[in-house]
Amino acid sequence: GAVVSQHPSRVICKSGTSVKIECRSLDFQATTMFWYRQFPKQSLMLMATSNEGSKATYEQGVEKDKFLINHASLTLSTLTVTSAHPEDSSFYICSASAVLQSQFFGPGTRLTVL
Amino acid sequence: TQLLEQSPQFLSIQEGENLTVYCNSSSVFSSLQWYRQEPGEGPVLLVTVVTGGEVKKLKRLTFQFGDARKDSSLHITAAQPGDTGLYLCAGGLSGGSNYKLTFGKGTLLTVNP
Repeated sequence: GAVVSQHPSRVICKSGTSVKIECRSLDFQATTMFWYRQFPKQSLMLMATSNEGSKATYEQGVEKDKFLINHASLTLSTLTVTSAHPEDSSFYICSASAVLQSQFFGPGTRLTVL
Repeated sequence: TQLLEQSPQFLSIQEGENLTVYCNSSSVFSSLQWYRQEPGEGPVLLVTVVTGGEVKKLKRLTFQFGDARKDSSLHITAAQPGDTGLYLCAGGLSGGSNYKLTFGKGTLLTVNP
């Protein structure tokens, strides 16, 4: 149980385009989903927290207009990187939580912006 | 901002050796979680500890939560090449209606055959 999927697993796009990443909880309903960013050989940095049906809460320094988060249902959250630039290239990981103190992570999405 | 200091950052050992990874903070956490991450994949939860002084064992892995819930350790006995990976500790705190994790910087473990 507690399986979280992400799609796509890898994406390459041109600078200036937008990219949407999906995060799904496959076998449970996630009241909260989290989006993280990870640079090579570094730890995870929380970008934002989203609760189903409400606006996401962004961490300090994360541009909410650049990283659009939608949590439309209890099993799906999306992260859209708008007007992507090479510095947005990173490994994006989501996690989903149904009960307090438990987060289950997706397999990650490798974004490369040319 | 709650910070978690994880050490060592890199560790390369021979198969069969024992090792300990430490996670320390000046903040009190309501829980402490340990994850293992393979390259290009998401972190996989190994254990959650919630009670000060708690010790949990998972085969050759022993996890301990400090009495004051500010620190934790992961001890691996007789390490095997399959243990190679990035080990992350994460402290949990409730913030309003949300529960957030603060991650340590990770320990990159390499176990050589």
